[in-house]
Amino acid sequence: QITLKESGPTLLKATQTLTLTCTFSGFSSTTSGVVVAWIRQPPGKALDWLAVLEWNDDVRYNPSLNNRLTITRDPSSNQVVLSLTNVDPMDTGTYYCAHRLLWRGMDVWGQGTTVTVSS
Amino acid sequence: DIQMTQSPSTLSASVGDRVTITCRASDSVSGRTYNWLAWYQQTPGKPPKLLINQASSLETGVPSRFSGSGSGTEFTLTISSLQPDDFATYYCQQYKTYPWTFGQGTKVEIK
Repeated sequence: QITLKESGPTLLKATQTLTLTCTFSGFSSTTSGVVVAWIRQPPGKALDWLAVLEWNDDVRYNPSLNNRLTITRDPSSNQVVLSLTNVDPMDTGTYYCAHRLLWRGMDVWGQGTTVTVSS
Repeated sequence: DIQMTQSPSTLSASVGDRVTITCRASDSVSGRTYNWLAWYQQTPGKPPKLLINQASSLETGVPSRFSGSGSGTEFTLTISSLQPDDFATYYCQQYKTYPWTFGQGTKVEIK
């Protein structure tokens, strides 16, 4: 059974760096075709894709975040870490990590973690 | 970026109604073999749930009243007979090219 769980700070101040950890089980992030994605959702708004880490170490970021994102893997602990620099109140929302395999959509999501950025 | 536009934004319906949601992409999200389009359902306070892959492939465990169709730039999600658990917000998402993009969501409300 695949599970993912997000963790990190709930409250930050503007200009700080947000670091979120996705701890997963039931799969290996280095298995061919596996992708771990990060998505966020501002309060009352739509889903917004942030970044992915592919099984072969390829990374992709949403260009709208202006190079503020970094995604890395810690295979020894089954974790994927997302960092977002220079946060702003507009970065407030719920952050999700999710699993995707091959041609499928994101089939398993974490419960989400809520982040509030104050000015 | 491929823009995804859903319509309507809000839909009021009754239990038992047939409901159709449309998703339009600004560029084709279909390849030679696959349609890179997924549908998700989200209820308040919960993560999205994948309903449909590849535009029309129902995820295991998803009730058969849900169906998806379309290719290229036009896709639909249909609920054949709306049930109480189906009142939720639905999102389409393309994953053909980066950045992956979602529609703005369609909220299905009780009439």
